[in-house]
Amino acid sequence: GAVVSQHPSWVICKSGTSVKIECRSLDFQATTMFWYRQFPKQSLMLMATSNEGSKATYEQGVEKDKFLINHASLTLSTLTVTSAHPEDSSFYICSEWSQDTDTQYFGPGTRLTVL
Amino acid sequence: SQQGEEDPQALSIQEGENATMNCSYKTSINNLQWYRQNSGRGLVHLILIRSNEREKHSGRLRVTLDTSKKSSSLLITASRAADTASYFCATEGRAAGNKLTFGGGTRVLVKP
Repeated sequence: GAVVSQHPSWVICKSGTSVKIECRSLDFQATTMFWYRQFPKQSLMLMATSNEGSKATYEQGVEKDKFLINHASLTLSTLTVTSAHPEDSSFYICSEWSQDTDTQYFGPGTRLTVL
Repeated sequence: SQQGEEDPQALSIQEGENATMNCSYKTSINNLQWYRQNSGRGLVHLILIRSNEREKHSGRLRVTLDTSKKSSSLLITASRAADTASYFCATEGRAAGNKLTFGGGTRVLVKP
């Protein structure tokens, strides 16, 4: 399957700061990437769909000004958590969709802890 | 909101036994997928079954799909300690644009 990387794998930050998470497609060009959030012992919740060269589409209840998504190239999408608060602490996972296999391939996730 | 409900939420078995988990969903789908997640890690795609398929096999995995009941099952045969993980079903709705909606997951513990 496709290889997706995320950076950083974990980050601890102070409340009020902004954190950028990168999601890279390493072996093919992904026009569509997805961002999910997962709280402990819960399932994945889709936050937004990231489309290369256009604005992201956010799911209901997700604040677009708080979770900034940029998909500037076919291999990189970034999620910036702005003015992070402790309730934003979560596991953030990206995925890329492969048209060839009609499958989403997931990155290893980024653990965000906001103090 | 989550479309899928998974049952059971947790499952504990001995190595060598079979593990079965079920997933129910609410709307029409293009396909249903099963993923595995080890603790604190990303998701690994296991198997995809399309809406016009009823059963699919991959190694020790067997997946069934009943669209009339809007349900799917994942069977892991001859389980191993390495199968210990959380298993999620995810559905791609007909109008979803490749978006996946995940079930709540089943935490499987395989005891050696």
